[in-house]
Amino acid sequence: GAVVSQHPSWVICKSGTSVKIECRSLDFQATTMFWYRQFPKQSLMLMATSNEGSKATYEQGVEKDKFLINHASLTLSTLTVTSAHPEDSSFYICSARDWLAGVGSQYFGPGTRLTVL
Amino acid sequence: GDSVTQMEGPVTLSEEAFLTINCTYTATGYPSLFWYVQYPGEGLQLLLKATKADDKGSNKGFEATYRKETTSFHLEKGSVQVSDSAVYFCALSGLSNAGGTSYGKLTFGQGTILTVHP
Repeated sequence: GAVVSQHPSWVICKSGTSVKIECRSLDFQATTMFWYRQFPKQSLMLMATSNEGSKATYEQGVEKDKFLINHASLTLSTLTVTSAHPEDSSFYICSARDWLAGVGSQYFGPGTRLTVL
Repeated sequence: GDSVTQMEGPVTLSEEAFLTINCTYTATGYPSLFWYVQYPGEGLQLLLKATKADDKGSNKGFEATYRKETTSFHLEKGSVQVSDSAVYFCALSGLSNAGGTSYGKLTFGQGTILTVHP
């Protein structure tokens, strides 16, 4: 099946620094990728929809200046958490939509655990 | 807006027991419905899906039927295994009327932790 990778799988950073997370579709092209945040024992919360070649669409309540998303190619989207603070610590998951494969063809990455000290 | 409600967990069962995880939804139009599974340390994987009313999705012994009249999509398995231990998420995707293509945005339920003991 289709594979989506994320890098890094975990990262620890100091408060005030920025962290970049990459999401790649390895064997298909994804014009649309999604970024989610998952809190412990809670559901996934959609943060933004990333469209190749255009600006990301952010969900209500998500700070676009804090969570910068770039979708520069059909196989890569990046999420940069700027000036990270402890409350940004979470599990970030991306998914990529394979439009050619029909309804429900959205593949998830393994997630990135961010810990801000 | 769209929403998905799953039964509260965690659910603990013995091997070979019958499993039901309830899921109900609220949505406008005709959404597609999904069950995703997240095994420990792994990403979410699509378990099964149904795209229209009365469709039954099935995979690996799991089944769920799209019930529009009750806005439900309950997950069932007749005999669970230890390897089924995971977190299960019910989700819906808003469906446009343009050729049945999905916008792709998923709304998830809160997830249900399933633990199966030998």
